[in-house]
Amino acid sequence: ETGVTQTPRHLVMGMTNKKSLKCEQHLGHNAMYWYKQSAKKPLELMFVYNFKEQTENNSVPSRFSPECPNSSHLFLHLHTLQPEDSALYLCASSQVQGSTGELFFGEGSRLTVL
Amino acid sequence: GESVGLHLPTLSVQEGDNSIINCAYSNSASDYFIWYKQESGKGPQFIIDIRSNMDKRQGQRVTVLLNKTVKHLSLQIAATQPGDSAVYFCAENIYSSASKIIFGSGTRLSIRP
Repeated sequence: ETGVTQTPRHLVMGMTNKKSLKCEQHLGHNAMYWYKQSAKKPLELMFVYNFKEQTENNSVPSRFSPECPNSSHLFLHLHTLQPEDSALYLCASSQVQGSTGELFFGEGSRLTVL
Repeated sequence: GESVGLHLPTLSVQEGDNSIINCAYSNSASDYFIWYKQESGKGPQFIIDIRSNMDKRQGQRVTVLLNKTVKHLSLQIAATQPGDSAVYFCAENIYSSASKIIFGSGTRLSIRP
């Protein structure tokens, strides 16, 4: 148990569906991150939020829309995805962005796009 | 550039032996490096870190070595145990407009009994 909880753990969706991934951290951290993990590729940083403000968008397609209503919650809204978007989506948190490399990861949401 | 790579995708070691996992990075300006371990079905977990003003740091059964001259990072695991089976990622902290952690592609460590 890392203190970072992701739901759902598994999601199957069609290309026209709209779904959301949720991340919640109980660590009192102020920075939250979305990473994408595909087979045989490095973890790809997607978005960073620091004190609820987005500080990084790593050229992510607009069909992925993040939302950070407060420092404890992070969402990733999904719309009209492609099969190549199938991957493990990992949420992480840290004290503040840049303070340390110790990111606390959730167990991920495995997404399959049909 | 912003890339962190690993020399080998897989490493197999005998239980009880020492393991050495290597990593090369390309960004000379990176000042902070981290090793993560990812077990099957779990998210990555922090193991150990090192700042660029150091060349060695030790933890419990793990040692990280940093050679800035050749931009090389290594993780040494002493007396490898079955529980060490996992994928190991090196990562670097890159600061442009803001700090971000960039991961390498990972090395899968397997333990032979």
